[in-house]
Amino acid sequence: GAVVSQHPSWVICKSGTSVKIECRSLDFQATTMFWYRQFPKQSLMLMATSNEGSKATYEQGVEKDKFLINHASLTLSTLTVTSAHPEDSSFYICSALRSGANVLTFGAGSRLTVL
Amino acid sequence: GENVEQHPSTLSVQEGDSAVIKCTYSDSASNYFPWYKQELGKRPQLIIDIRSNVGEKKDQRIAVTLNKTAKHFSLHITETQPEDSAVYFCAASFGNEKLTFGTGTRLTIIP
Repeated sequence: GAVVSQHPSWVICKSGTSVKIECRSLDFQATTMFWYRQFPKQSLMLMATSNEGSKATYEQGVEKDKFLINHASLTLSTLTVTSAHPEDSSFYICSALRSGANVLTFGAGSRLTVL
Repeated sequence: GENVEQHPSTLSVQEGDSAVIKCTYSDSASNYFPWYKQELGKRPQLIIDIRSNVGEKKDQRIAVTLNKTAKHFSLHITETQPEDSAVYFCAASFGNEKLTFGTGTRLTIIP
């Protein structure tokens, strides 16, 4: 149990376009999901905490208008990178906290390349 | 906020030897300390975790120790195998939600 699906796994887009990444908990409900960004050979940096039915909480330095997060249901959170630029190219990973449980489950990640 | 430091950044050990990775944290309120293994381009996988009410936890070849007074915790891998080669991240949080990750250790097992 506790499977998190992240889609797409790879995406290449042109500068100026927007990209949406989905994070789904397949077999459990997740009231809280987290979005991380990981640069090559670096650690995971928390971008924001996504709470079902409410606004996301962004970490300091993360532009909320740039990285739109929506957590419309107990099994789905989406991250939209708006007006993407080459510096937004990165590995984005979500994780989900099973309601009532103690362990985070990570998605497989989405590699975004902005040309 | 929480700050987690991790050492060493790279570690090479002979197959069969032990590997130790150390982390320190800054927030004394942190009470949950997981360790993740991440292979290239893949998701982090939880390998072991410890909570602040215990000092040591072991799962087969993997063990974690926690010193709350000194605010440091360590990962110990014994009898290392080639498949242990990966990047390992420590993390700390209050509760189990907003994890702060260490900078990672690239472990290479030399056959």
